[in-house]
Amino acid sequence: QAVVTQEPSLTVSPGGTVTLTCGSSTGAVTSGHYPYWFQQKPGQAPRTLIYDTSNKHSWTPARFSGSLLGGKAALTLSGAQPEDEADYYCLLSYSGPRVFGGGTKLTVL
Amino acid sequence: EVQLVESGGGLVQPGGSLRLSCAASGFTFSNYWMNWFRQAPGKGLEWVANIKRDGSEKYYVDSVKGRFTISRDNAKNSLSLQMNSLRAEDTAVYYCASPFDWGQGTLVTVSS
Repeated sequence: QAVVTQEPSLTVSPGGTVTLTCGSSTGAVTSGHYPYWFQQKPGQAPRTLIYDTSNKHSWTPARFSGSLLGGKAALTLSGAQPEDEADYYCLLSYSGPRVFGGGTKLTVL
Repeated sequence: EVQLVESGGGLVQPGGSLRLSCAASGFTFSNYWMNWFRQAPGKGLEWVANIKRDGSEKYYVDSVKGRFTISRDNAKNSLSLQMNSLRAEDTAVYYCASPFDWGQGTLVTVSS
């Protein structure tokens, strides 16, 4: 099965902007991989932030956006808040099976 | 309000079996693919299996093929995961998820 790669960790300043990426060992990530992004805080279940590349859940703050960037899926956080400190996971679809990335630990500092 | 409530987790010996269930409400269950995900203690998320709206297609991560079976009952808005030949490495919190929402998870511990 494919390997999905994410940055292990990133740091952003409060109010700053950061982009998390999600790559695939099979080649460029496209809309056909239906990229998802999930946020997980310590001790909590994950929750969906972005689905199908760029669509937001009802609870997704406007400061989060999803896109395709340079052959990868991307999650951009513009105007980081302390409550955005969490683990972020992407999920790609491979015509049925799904594969998670290893997750990015985002620190807001 | 969407709710996904898992049940059936617990402690089981290696080689044993367990059946997880997920009760769904607040959305049209039969319209969506459904997934089981898991997370081992201190580790990242792993996709385990998914099932098409009508149950006609099912997919599994390689590590559980032949041991786990996903199923659904659209009349009862329920999703299940039958887990056989359990191994220590199957120890994890198991989550039921629609394309948009997750349950709170149920812990499966495989240990003698």
